[in-house]
Amino acid sequence: SQQGEEDPQALSIQEGENATMNCSYKTSINNLQWYRQNSGRGLVHLILIRSNEREKHSGRLRVTLDTSKKSSSLLITASRAADTASYFCATRSQGAQKLVFGQGTRLTINP
Amino acid sequence: GAGVSQSPSNKVTEKGKDVELRCDPISGHTALYWYRQSLGQGLEFLIYFQGNSAPDKSGLPSDRFSAERTGGSVSTLTIQRTQQEDSAVYLCASSSETGQETQYFGPGTRLLVL
Repeated sequence: SQQGEEDPQALSIQEGENATMNCSYKTSINNLQWYRQNSGRGLVHLILIRSNEREKHSGRLRVTLDTSKKSSSLLITASRAADTASYFCATRSQGAQKLVFGQGTRLTINP
Repeated sequence: GAGVSQSPSNKVTEKGKDVELRCDPISGHTALYWYRQSLGQGLEFLIYFQGNSAPDKSGLPSDRFSAERTGGSVSTLTIQRTQQEDSAVYLCASSSETGQETQYFGPGTRLLVL
């Protein structure tokens, strides 16, 4: 079963604008990760944030985590056409090895 | 170095036939995972290997699904008597050790059951 719910399901913005995607989950987690998927194939790991962290940055990516609300957000700044992809959050619970994925947000960057 | 590889890239089969999907993890990675991505179901965990043993196979949807891993490396996911609802992209991932959080994914095998 899917733990995460992502919002919005689809997002279309102009190149150069910022894109924000949100993820909510249901159980206590060890960490939360964001992945990107192009063309429905392999997933590329973007960033991981641990349960004791509140914010993390990597290049144009900024991730926040609010464990009290069981939610996370991914911000992509200064978007580029190459950022067009589906973005998934995935959670890993304490003592578990598997990742539980959200349904994903399909991001389209218009030139 | 080389990433996770999967074969075949695409597989079309007839309902009732058996299929085998292969995953070659990153060299040295002891943990290996299988996931399935289908329309309407998102990404679902199937099974996890640590070395050659599978401590968590809770995601296998039925007894038609089985997986093995040999030599702590290559893994094969077998689906017997395929059904149309088995059509999906099957993704394999590996990580360097238990507790290592980042899982590296292969390109997937797209299975279509006619």
